[in-house]
Amino acid sequence: EDQVTQSPEALRLQEGESSSLNCSYTVSGLRGLFWYRQDPGKGPEFLFTLYSAGEEKEKERLKATLTKKESFLHITAPKPEDSATYLCAVQAPSTDKLIFGTGTRLQVFP
Amino acid sequence: EAGVTQSPTHLIKTRGQQATLRCSPISGHTSVYWYQQALGLGLQFLLWYDEGEERNRGNFPPRFSGRQFPNYSSELNVNALELEDSALYLCASSLGPRRETQYFGPGTRLLVL
Repeated sequence: EDQVTQSPEALRLQEGESSSLNCSYTVSGLRGLFWYRQDPGKGPEFLFTLYSAGEEKEKERLKATLTKKESFLHITAPKPEDSATYLCAVQAPSTDKLIFGTGTRLQVFP
Repeated sequence: EAGVTQSPTHLIKTRGQQATLRCSPISGHTSVYWYQQALGLGLQFLLWYDEGEERNRGNFPPRFSGRQFPNYSSELNVNALELEDSALYLCASSLGPRRETQYFGPGTRLLVL
C-alpha cells in the first residue's frame, strides 16, 4: 500500500537554527513528490515538485532533496514567518491523486 | 493570475442535510481534485475530475459526489450529512493529468451540527 510518513511531527527552532524535515515513502513507481506549506485554516501552498532521485530544488531558505526512499526539506536560518505545517505528498503512477503525510508542524521562535 | 477559488468559505449544516461546495480552477487548468482534511488528520483524496469526467475517487461513500462543468469549475455534493463530515474541504487544480503540480484553494470549512 502506498504510504507517506513524515518526521518529526513537531519541531521547535530558535530563529537562525537550521534543521531538516523528513518524508519517507513507499510507492510503486514514484510519479512525483510534492512539498507544500499550510498555515492554520488555509489551503496548502505549493513549494516544490521533485521527480527523480538526486534532484534538488531551492527557494529562499528552503531546499528539498529526493532519494529513492525519502525526501528532506532543509530549512536554513529560519525566521518566525517560516512557522507553518509542512506537508509532503507523493503521486502514484496508477492514479493522479496525491497521498499526503500528516505533516511536520514547525514553530520558529525569535 | 487568480488562484483556485472556493465558495462558501464556511458552511454550517445539520445532520441529514445536503451540502454543496464550489470550486473554480486556475485559468487554463482542466483537472480538479477534491480533498477532505478532518481535524487532526491528513488530507484524504475524495474525487478527481478532468475534462468533465470523473477519473478517480477515493475511499468515501457514494453520498460524496460531484461534477465538473464545461468551464472546468466543479461542485462537490455531500448528501445525508453526518457529524464526522465536519472538515476543511480543499479543491486543487492542475494543467492536466500526469505529473502536473496541483495548486490548492483556500478551502471550505464545513461544520455539521
